[in-house]
Amino acid sequence: ILNVEQSPQSLHVQEGDSTNFTCSFPSSNFYALHWYRWETAKSPEALFVMTLNGDEKKKGRISATLNTKEGYSYLYIKGSQPEDSATYLCAFNAGGTSYGKLTFGQGTILTVHP
Amino acid sequence: SQTIHQWPATLVQPVGSPLSLECTVEGTSNPNLYWYRQAAGRGLQLLFYSVGIGQISSEVPQNLSASRPQDRQFILSSKKLLLSDSGFYLCAWSEGWRYGYTFGSGTRLTVV
Repeated sequence: ILNVEQSPQSLHVQEGDSTNFTCSFPSSNFYALHWYRWETAKSPEALFVMTLNGDEKKKGRISATLNTKEGYSYLYIKGSQPEDSATYLCAFNAGGTSYGKLTFGQGTILTVHP
Repeated sequence: SQTIHQWPATLVQPVGSPLSLECTVEGTSNPNLYWYRQAAGRGLQLLFYSVGIGQISSEVPQNLSASRPQDRQFILSSKKLLLSDSGFYLCAWSEGWRYGYTFGSGTRLTVV
């Protein structure tokens, strides 16, 4: 059973604050680490797919880093805005015969207060 | 462009009744297809995945089954629903392990 842990479970920040969350995953048999944003009443939306140790990805004010040797990824949001409020999910792909199937963490619920 | 349709959006069913949730993908061929469920207070759990017509892999023992009668159609079924089948069901597709998932809009199932 693959264990993907996210912390914190929830986070409240003020508009303009920068924040970050952590995703921990097994360091063996790594193929890819995904980040998704899931806004209320919408479908999860893919943010990043990271495949190489040391990968850094950026999309606007959101960025992510990856350390496959120690099994963690960080997601950073710079200058949080109320529209960033969502659940942020990470998901681990162990590859092999897994055909791209993902094991998801429980998510970090971010609330940005105006 | 690729789109994914999932229906119905909400469903309230009595215990013991059958279930059929449908998911279709447009604009791509031979997608990998997935059914996930989010039970109350829990994360997304993979139920089934399919890499081709008629090819279904089940991840967890359960009261549900899946079928893929056409390349871009994925169906989740049950003959007799249990209370524990309640949850939010999401269909998703991907081109392969290097690519992110595209999710459907989800079905909120309440078994009463």
